Amino acid sequence: KQEVTQIPAALSVPEGENLVLNCSFTDSAIYNLQWFRQDPGKGLTSLLLIQSSQREQTSGRLNASLDKSSGRSTLYIAASQPGDSATYLCAGHGSSNTGKLIFGQGTTLQVKP
Amino acid sequence: EPEVTQTPSHQVTQMGQEVILRCVPISNHLYFYWYRQILGQKVEFLVSFYNNEISEKSEIFDDQFSVERPDGSNFTLKIRSTKLEDSAMYFCASSERHLGNTYEQYFGPGTRLTVT
Repeated sequence: KQEVTQIPAALSVPEGENLVLNCSFTDSAIYNLQWFRQDPGKGLTSLLLIQSSQREQTSGRLNASLDKSSGRSTLYIAASQPGDSATYLCAGHGSSNTGKLIFGQGTTLQVKP
Repeated sequence: EPEVTQTPSHQVTQMGQEVILRCVPISNHLYFYWYRQILGQKVEFLVSFYNNEISEKSEIFDDQFSVERPDGSNFTLKIRSTKLEDSAMYFCASSERHLGNTYEQYFGPGTRLTVT
Protein backbone atom coordinates (compact mmCIF):
# COMPACT_ATOMS: atom_id res chain seq x y z
CA LYS A 1 0.00 0.00 0.00
CA GLN A 2 1.44 3.33 -1.07
CA GLU A 3 2.12 5.81 1.72
CA VAL A 4 3.54 9.29 1.27
CA THR A 5 5.39 11.17 3.98
CA GLN A 6 6.65 14.74 3.98
CA ILE A 7 9.39 16.18 6.14
CA PRO A 8 9.53 18.66 7.75
CA ALA A 9 5.93 19.37 8.76
CA ALA A 10 6.72 23.07 9.05
CA LEU A 11 9.56 25.30 7.95
CA SER A 12 10.32 28.96 8.55
CA VAL A 13 13.04 30.71 6.55
CA PRO A 14 14.15 34.28 5.87
CA GLU A 15 13.39 35.76 2.50
CA GLY A 16 15.97 34.97 -0.17
CA GLU A 17 16.98 31.61 1.21
CA ASN A 18 17.06 28.49 -0.97
CA LEU A 19 15.20 25.57 0.54
CA VAL A 20 14.36 21.92 -0.01
CA LEU A 21 11.14 20.13 0.86
CA ASN A 22 11.22 16.36 1.12
CA CYS A 23 8.72 13.72 0.15
CA SER A 24 9.13 9.97 0.53
CA PHE A 25 6.94 7.13 -0.68
CA THR A 26 6.87 3.48 0.25
CA ASP A 27 6.07 1.87 -3.10
CA SER A 28 8.70 2.38 -5.80
CA ALA A 29 6.12 1.32 -8.42
CA ILE A 30 5.11 4.91 -8.83
CA TYR A 31 3.93 6.32 -12.14
CA ASN A 32 3.94 10.02 -11.50
CA LEU A 33 4.56 12.41 -8.66
CA GLN A 34 2.80 15.74 -8.46
CA TRP A 35 3.65 18.72 -6.25
CA PHE A 36 0.91 21.12 -5.17
CA ARG A 37 0.63 24.36 -3.33
CA GLN A 38 -2.27 24.99 -0.93
CA ASP A 39 -3.01 28.39 0.55
CA PRO A 40 -5.04 28.45 3.81
CA GLY A 41 -8.65 27.48 3.19
CA LYS A 42 -8.08 27.24 -0.55
CA GLY A 43 -7.80 24.62 -3.24
CA LEU A 44 -4.74 22.86 -4.58
CA THR A 45 -2.62 24.48 -7.27
CA SER A 46 -0.53 22.10 -9.31
CA LEU A 47 3.12 23.15 -9.39
CA LEU A 48 4.99 20.34 -11.11
CA LEU A 49 4.35 16.85 -12.42
CA ILE A 50 7.23 14.39 -12.70
CA GLN A 51 6.53 11.34 -14.78
CA SER A 52 7.93 7.95 -13.91
CA SER A 53 10.51 8.13 -16.71
CA GLN A 54 11.77 11.56 -15.67
CA ARG A 55 14.17 12.52 -12.92
CA GLU A 56 13.31 16.17 -12.56
CA GLN A 57 11.14 19.04 -13.68
CA THR A 58 11.66 22.78 -13.47
CA SER A 59 9.28 25.70 -13.43
CA GLY A 60 10.71 29.12 -12.70
CA ARG A 61 12.28 29.06 -9.24
CA LEU A 62 10.97 25.56 -8.57
CA ASN A 63 12.76 22.33 -9.30
CA ALA A 64 11.39 18.93 -8.39
CA SER A 65 13.31 15.68 -8.54
CA LEU A 66 12.22 12.07 -8.38
CA ASP A 67 14.34 9.11 -7.34
CA LYS A 68 12.23 6.00 -7.54
CA SER A 69 14.96 3.69 -6.30
CA SER A 70 15.21 5.50 -2.99
CA GLY A 71 11.52 6.36 -2.83
CA ARG A 72 12.13 10.10 -2.63
CA SER A 73 11.17 13.34 -4.25
CA THR A 74 12.40 16.81 -3.39
CA LEU A 75 11.05 20.25 -4.20
CA TYR A 76 13.73 22.90 -4.38
CA ILE A 77 12.67 26.53 -4.09
CA ALA A 78 15.27 29.09 -5.05
CA ALA A 79 15.44 32.60 -3.67
CA SER A 80 12.33 32.23 -1.53
CA GLN A 81 9.86 35.10 -1.27
CA PRO A 82 7.11 35.90 1.28
CA GLY A 83 4.59 35.03 -1.42
CA ASP A 84 5.87 31.45 -1.36
CA SER A 85 4.37 31.03 2.11
CA ALA A 86 1.87 28.18 1.83
CA THR A 87 1.51 24.46 2.42
CA TYR A 88 3.25 22.28 -0.15
CA LEU A 89 1.83 18.85 -0.83
CA CYS A 90 3.32 15.98 -2.75
CA ALA A 91 1.11 13.26 -4.15
CA GLY A 92 2.04 9.97 -5.73
CA HIS A 93 0.23 8.12 -8.43
CA GLY A 94 0.90 4.52 -7.50
CA SER A 95 0.08 1.16 -8.93
CA SER A 96 -3.54 2.05 -9.51
CA ASN A 97 -4.27 2.68 -13.18
CA THR A 98 -7.18 4.94 -12.42
CA GLY A 99 -5.31 8.13 -11.61
CA LYS A 100 -5.77 7.96 -7.85
CA LEU A 101 -3.38 10.29 -6.03
CA ILE A 102 -2.04 9.51 -2.57
CA PHE A 103 -1.10 12.62 -0.64
CA GLY A 104 1.47 13.43 1.98
CA GLN A 105 0.48 15.54 4.94
CA GLY A 106 2.26 18.60 3.59
CA THR A 107 5.00 21.00 4.62
CA THR A 108 3.84 24.41 5.80
CA LEU A 109 6.34 27.01 4.69
CA GLN A 110 6.67 30.50 6.10
CA VAL A 111 9.03 32.91 4.38
CA LYS A 112 9.74 35.93 6.55
CA PRO A 113 10.44 39.31 4.95
CA GLU B 1 -6.66 29.48 -18.56
CA PRO B 2 -9.20 26.67 -18.12
CA GLU B 3 -9.99 25.77 -14.54
CA VAL B 4 -12.13 23.42 -12.49
CA THR B 5 -15.00 25.16 -10.76
CA GLN B 6 -17.04 23.99 -7.80
CA THR B 7 -20.30 25.11 -6.23
CA PRO B 8 -21.23 25.97 -3.60
CA SER B 9 -18.10 27.23 -1.89
CA HIS B 10 -19.62 26.50 1.51
CA GLN B 11 -22.54 24.23 2.38
CA VAL B 12 -24.04 23.90 5.85
CA THR B 13 -26.45 21.03 6.39
CA GLN B 14 -28.05 19.15 9.22
CA MET B 15 -27.12 15.58 10.02
CA GLY B 16 -29.18 13.13 8.01
CA GLN B 17 -29.82 15.52 5.13
CA GLU B 18 -28.79 14.89 1.54
CA VAL B 19 -26.27 17.18 -0.12
CA ILE B 20 -25.10 17.48 -3.69
CA LEU B 21 -21.74 19.04 -4.44
CA ARG B 22 -21.23 20.26 -7.96
CA CYS B 23 -18.18 20.51 -10.15
CA VAL B 24 -17.48 21.62 -13.68
CA PRO B 25 -14.27 19.92 -14.86
CA ILE B 26 -12.01 21.30 -17.56
CA SER B 27 -13.84 20.80 -20.83
CA ASN B 28 -11.50 18.45 -22.72
CA HIS B 29 -10.72 16.30 -19.68
CA LEU B 30 -11.93 12.74 -19.54
CA TYR B 31 -11.08 11.64 -16.00
CA PHE B 32 -12.78 13.04 -12.94
CA TYR B 33 -12.07 12.68 -9.25
CA TRP B 34 -13.35 13.60 -5.84
CA TYR B 35 -11.09 14.02 -2.83
CA ARG B 36 -11.76 15.29 0.63
CA GLN B 37 -9.69 16.92 3.35
CA ILE B 38 -10.84 16.86 6.93
CA LEU B 39 -9.48 19.86 8.79
CA GLY B 40 -5.84 19.30 9.72
CA GLN B 41 -5.61 15.97 7.91
CA LYS B 42 -4.29 14.67 4.61
CA VAL B 43 -6.14 15.01 1.35
CA GLU B 44 -7.88 11.65 0.79
CA PHE B 45 -9.01 10.06 -2.44
CA LEU B 46 -12.71 9.24 -2.66
CA VAL B 47 -13.48 8.17 -6.21
CA SER B 48 -12.36 8.30 -9.82
CA PHE B 49 -14.75 8.35 -12.76
CA TYR B 50 -14.28 7.70 -16.44
CA ASN B 51 -16.61 6.97 -19.33
CA ASN B 52 -19.65 7.34 -17.08
CA GLU B 53 -18.43 4.70 -14.69
CA ILE B 54 -16.62 4.61 -11.38
CA SER B 55 -13.05 3.48 -12.04
CA GLU B 56 -11.98 3.17 -8.45
CA LYS B 57 -13.35 4.10 -5.06
CA SER B 58 -11.85 4.20 -1.61
CA GLU B 59 -13.11 2.62 1.59
CA ILE B 60 -14.55 6.00 2.53
CA PHE B 61 -16.83 5.97 -0.51
CA ASP B 62 -19.57 3.77 0.93
CA ASP B 63 -23.21 3.40 -0.07
CA GLN B 64 -23.99 6.88 1.22
CA PHE B 65 -21.92 8.39 -1.57
CA SER B 66 -22.65 8.49 -5.28
CA VAL B 67 -21.29 10.35 -8.28
CA GLU B 68 -22.89 11.32 -11.52
CA ARG B 69 -22.16 13.16 -14.72
CA PRO B 70 -25.68 14.32 -15.51
CA ASP B 71 -24.72 16.22 -18.64
CA GLY B 72 -21.68 17.08 -20.71
CA SER B 73 -20.25 19.54 -18.25
CA ASN B 74 -21.21 18.80 -14.64
CA PHE B 75 -19.85 16.19 -12.27
CA THR B 76 -21.61 15.76 -8.95
CA LEU B 77 -21.00 14.10 -5.61
CA LYS B 78 -24.07 13.19 -3.58
CA ILE B 79 -24.06 12.27 0.08
CA ARG B 80 -27.40 10.68 0.87
CA SER B 81 -27.57 11.02 4.64
CA THR B 82 -24.83 13.23 6.02
CA LYS B 83 -23.02 12.48 9.25
CA LEU B 84 -21.00 14.79 11.46
CA GLU B 85 -17.80 13.10 10.28
CA ASP B 86 -18.58 14.06 6.69
CA SER B 87 -17.62 17.63 7.56
CA ALA B 88 -14.62 18.39 5.36
CA MET B 89 -13.40 20.27 2.32
CA TYR B 90 -14.36 18.38 -0.82
CA PHE B 91 -12.22 18.84 -3.89
CA CYS B 92 -13.09 17.94 -7.43
CA ALA B 93 -10.27 17.29 -9.89
CA SER B 94 -9.95 16.39 -13.53
CA SER B 95 -7.27 15.19 -15.90
CA GLU B 96 -7.00 14.68 -19.60
CA ARG B 97 -5.66 11.16 -19.20
CA HIS B 98 -4.84 8.89 -16.25
CA LEU B 99 -1.28 8.10 -17.29
CA GLY B 100 1.51 9.77 -19.18
CA ASN B 101 2.32 13.40 -19.65
CA THR B 102 -1.27 14.52 -19.82
CA TYR B 103 -2.09 12.92 -16.53
CA GLU B 104 -1.70 16.08 -14.45
CA GLN B 105 -4.69 16.57 -12.19
CA TYR B 106 -6.21 20.00 -11.82
CA PHE B 107 -8.16 20.75 -8.69
CA GLY B 108 -11.10 23.00 -8.04
CA PRO B 109 -11.24 25.49 -5.16
CA GLY B 110 -13.24 23.10 -3.01
CA THR B 111 -16.58 23.03 -1.23
CA ARG B 112 -16.46 23.30 2.52
CA LEU B 113 -19.18 21.03 3.92
CA THR B 114 -20.25 21.59 7.50
CA VAL B 115 -22.64 19.05 9.02
CA THR B 116 -24.34 20.17 12.22
